[in-house]
Amino acid sequence: GAVVSQHPSWVICKSGTSVKIECRSLDFQATTMFWYRQFPKQSLMLMATSNEGSKATYEQGVEKDKFLINHASLTLSTLTVTSAHPEDSSFYICSAYGSSYNEQFFGPGTRLTVL
Amino acid sequence: SQQGEEDPQALSIQEGENATMNCSYKTSINNLQWYRQNSGRGLVHLILIRSNEREKHSGRLRVTLDTSKKSSSLLITASRAADTASYFCATGGLYRGAQKLVFGQGTRLTINP
Repeated sequence: GAVVSQHPSWVICKSGTSVKIECRSLDFQATTMFWYRQFPKQSLMLMATSNEGSKATYEQGVEKDKFLINHASLTLSTLTVTSAHPEDSSFYICSAYGSSYNEQFFGPGTRLTVL
Repeated sequence: SQQGEEDPQALSIQEGENATMNCSYKTSINNLQWYRQNSGRGLVHLILIRSNEREKHSGRLRVTLDTSKKSSSLLITASRAADTASYFCATGGLYRGAQKLVFGQGTRLTINP
């Protein structure tokens, strides 16, 4: 199957700083990427849908100015958590859809801890 | 909002026993998928069952789907310690060809050696 990577795998930052998380499809082109957030012992919640070359579509209740998503190429989407606060601490997972595979593949996740 | 509910939320069994997890969902679906997540890791796709299918097998996995009851079950036979993980069902509609997934609450499965 295809491979999706995320970088960094974990990050610790101070409150008020911004953090960028990258999601890459390594061996296929992804026209659509999804960003999920998962709190401890809970399920994944879809945050937004990222489309190459256009603005992301955010789920209800997700602040688009706080969670900036950029999908500048067919292999890269970035999620920037701006002015992070301790309540933003979570596990962020991306997935990438490859039309050539007609399947969605998940990244390994990024653990964000905001102090 | 979450699409589905899963039960049990946690399940602990002895190695070699069978494990059954259930998932219920609220809206009409085209298909339903099951994923596994090891602690602190990403998701692994296990199996997809289409709405016109009632049962599907893959190795030690057996999935059933009852669209009249809007429910699905995942059976893992002859469990192994390596099966210890959280299991999620997911449904969703198509978005430009991709599945916009909504996950159930998950079942935390522990296999005791």
